[in-house]
Amino acid sequence: NAGVTQTPKFQVLKTGQSMTLQCAQDMNHNSMYWYRQDPGMGLRLIYYSASEGTTDKGEVPNGYNVSRLNKREFSLRLESAAPSQTSVYFCASSLGTGGAGTEAFFGQGTRLTVV
Amino acid sequence: KNQVEQSPQSLIILEGKNCTLQCNYTVSPFSNLRWYKQDTGRGPVSLTIMTFSENTKSNGRYTATLDADTKQSSLHITASQLSDSASYICVVSLYGGSQGNLIFGKGTKLSVKP
Repeated sequence: NAGVTQTPKFQVLKTGQSMTLQCAQDMNHNSMYWYRQDPGMGLRLIYYSASEGTTDKGEVPNGYNVSRLNKREFSLRLESAAPSQTSVYFCASSLGTGGAGTEAFFGQGTRLTVV
Repeated sequence: KNQVEQSPQSLIILEGKNCTLQCNYTVSPFSNLRWYKQDTGRGPVSLTIMTFSENTKSNGRYTATLDADTKQSSLHITASQLSDSASYICVVSLYGGSQGNLIFGKGTKLSVKP
């Protein structure tokens, strides 16, 4: 049981380049999330998808786009990377219902450096 | 503003000792509170979940408490082990609303030394 799988694990981009971070979950979860984690800032929500076919902005959406491709997959795209987007990116998923359903399962993270 | 604050920011203890991490929140309406453990270079993993009516919950050597009146939670680690070295993150879920409503604390970085 793989859980939440993110690719790639590491990436170096030049300013202005674009890339897509991939995320897939095999737990039949309804909700999926993208977070970024910076030193001293904790985890901040970029975008989330409460269910297949819907996406919503989180706390820090500027410079990012997302696609909920199907129930399993949720991708994050950087159209024109900037040094401020250097961070560790985590994808997560949850059942999406109350109580135990709010537990978020996280991927291993993608360490992105923009130079 | 919905906030979760954790203390201390970092903590160093000797192997075998106990420690307590604190979490204060100003989140409303409250649904539940979770403690996550994040090992270096890994994603966070849930340790415990506590709802409004629960005061204490244990998971092995980890014991979480919740005081919904004062909006405080603590995570007590007993007989610490080197493998307990990690960041511990307090996360509060908002009741109802969208599924994006998870409020994260910044975490406490625990180092257990031999």
